[in-house]
Amino acid sequence: GQNIDQPTEMTATEGAIVQINCTYQTSGFNGLFWYQQHAGEAPTFLSYNVLDGLEEKGRFSSFLSRSKGYSYLLLKELQMKDSASYLCAGLLTGGGNKLTFGTGTQLKVEL
Amino acid sequence: GAGVSQTPSNKVTEKGKYVELRCDPISGHTALYWYRQSLGQGPEFLIYFQGTGAADDSGLPNDRFFAVRPEGSVSTLKIQRTERGDSAVYLCASSPQGQDYGYTFGSGTRLTVV
Repeated sequence: GQNIDQPTEMTATEGAIVQINCTYQTSGFNGLFWYQQHAGEAPTFLSYNVLDGLEEKGRFSSFLSRSKGYSYLLLKELQMKDSASYLCAGLLTGGGNKLTFGTGTQLKVEL
Repeated sequence: GAGVSQTPSNKVTEKGKYVELRCDPISGHTALYWYRQSLGQGPEFLIYFQGTGAADDSGLPNDRFFAVRPEGSVSTLKIQRTERGDSAVYLCASSPQGQDYGYTFGSGTRLTVV
């Protein structure tokens, strides 16, 4: 199976940088996604990593190390609207486009 | 349409009743997915369609759950003899064939079984 582990909650200050970590079992792994989900809303796609390294998209960056089964999402210049749940999800080989999600990290941005 | 549309947005039903949840994917998207999300959890895979056929239904919890996509567009998730444990948000997502950069979710149907 594909166990996805991420912290349950994190708190950070507006304007700061926060890193949300995610670990997963490497067997059958074929890529890693990050989604943002505001309360009561659908998850929205943030990033996808299939190769090792850092992918940068504006204030958000995502890193992957396939050999370590490790990823992180980096959020810079935090804004209050970034308060949301951040979901790490693994894509399995031979599984179509089926994703296995972690439980999500609830990020609270404070003044 | 512009996005993935799910109806109803909320459904309250009595234990033992039958319910149907509808998903209208983005036009032209060949792949369609159903997920279920309980409070405080990540989405859990239920079933995946490629065109009209169910390519993977390994996530359906039991035979009370069934889904169809007869014309390769709109899909209906059907739940028979609902139980209180079925209460969750049911999310639908779609993607073009071969896309590897994430799919688009609908806003979900919040099902409450009382």
